Amino acid sequence: NAGVTQTPKFRVLKTGQSMTLLCAQDMNHEYMYWYRQDPGMGLRLIHYSVGEGTTAKGEVPDGYNVSRLKKQNFLLGLESAAPSQTSVYFCASSPFFRDQPQHFGDGTRLSIL
Amino acid sequence: AQSVTQLDSQVPVFEEAPVELRCNYSSSVSVYLFWYVQYPNQGLQLLLKYLSGSTLVKGINGFEAEFNKSQTSFHLRKPSVHISDTAEYFCAVSEFNNNNDMRFGAGTRLTVKP
Repeated sequence: NAGVTQTPKFRVLKTGQSMTLLCAQDMNHEYMYWYRQDPGMGLRLIHYSVGEGTTAKGEVPDGYNVSRLKKQNFLLGLESAAPSQTSVYFCASSPFFRDQPQHFGDGTRLSIL
Repeated sequence: AQSVTQLDSQVPVFEEAPVELRCNYSSSVSVYLFWYVQYPNQGLQLLLKYLSGSTLVKGINGFEAEFNKSQTSFHLRKPSVHISDTAEYFCAVSEFNNNNDMRFGAGTRLTVKP
């Protein structure tokens, strides 16, 4: 019963490098989300997707891109990493109905030097 | 858009004491309300949710929350805490007409001391 799986769990990058974070869910959920968590700021939505092939911007989208080529996967890309992107990144998914909670992965801890 | 304020960033409490974690929200439309718990190095897990109906909602691990529409609050309570309740707690709100934007509070760090 995997739920939402994020890879990798940890990563250290140098400024200017690029990388992709992968999120996979096995619950057949329509909606998927990427958040970043910073101390004292809770979770802030970066991008989200309401279905395969669709993506949209959230609260803090700058510096990130996403893709949802398959329903079960949601990728978050950093094209040119900056120290301000040091954070813990969480992926979540939820069913179509808006009264349903989101299911979260265990997070990816990303440090940009 | 909706917003959430968790009034306490840290709440220390002794084991077996009662605890209340406060949450206030603002929205111009009807909302759904959630409390999540985050243990160290883990993602968020749902504690309880308010959708409609009874304003007192019971969740897992002995937690409950009360929805107060007039005060736009959704405070979380537990009558007797355990060491294992030490974690970060997040209040979240989503609007009836907007499934794409769940807003989270900044979190409350609950520390239960022996």
